[in-house]
Amino acid sequence: DAKTTQPPSMDCAEGRAANLPCNHSTISGNEYVYWYRQIHSQGPQYIIHGLKNNETNEMASLIITEDRKSSTLILPHATLRDTAVYYCIVSRVGSARQLTFGSGTQLTVLP
Amino acid sequence: NAGVTQTPKFQVLKTGQSMTLQCAQDMNHNSMYWYRQDPGMGLRLIYYSASEGTTDKGEVPNGYNVSRLNKREFSLRLESAAPSQTSVYFCASGDTSTDTQYFGPGTRLTVL
Repeated sequence: DAKTTQPPSMDCAEGRAANLPCNHSTISGNEYVYWYRQIHSQGPQYIIHGLKNNETNEMASLIITEDRKSSTLILPHATLRDTAVYYCIVSRVGSARQLTFGSGTQLTVLP
Repeated sequence: NAGVTQTPKFQVLKTGQSMTLQCAQDMNHNSMYWYRQDPGMGLRLIYYSASEGTTDKGEVPNGYNVSRLNKREFSLRLESAAPSQTSVYFCASGDTSTDTQYFGPGTRLTVL
């Protein structure tokens, strides 16, 4: 699986959009980009994933560059409850693919 | 629909004691996983089960055994606990059609 690079920490004002970047320059054509988050002391939570098209769900939007070497997770209106570590993971879809968690980005939403 | 449940939530063991961590999922997923997370670290895979009746080692399997009892349940056993196994243990189940995983709330284990 491709390696990912994320900033260690970011701050965001409550109510504003949080834009979390991820570099994955060695991504292969059949690898998806996944985002998970882990709120303190809880189990990780799946957010969104995509292959090459932008994706949106009730939690977030995922923007993948045309060359697929980087992506951005967007939380459109961040709240204090969005304070968490956000993990960007690249993986092929297949049976029982285990996730490789890096160190992620600590997002702190400020009041 | 409870998702992924884990028992117990907390456990304190003495070195050399044994215990089994239980995990169950009600999402009809084929794959299940056990991870550990040490303080300030990312998750590391201990064992996983691609389907009922199969198990495979992950990144850090030493000192652990697993049993995929049926499609719903996947247990993790520590035969002789060591202080190095003090950690938070997360179970997950996976939707293999999308490769997304759903995690339980974790078991916080301390080995003295």
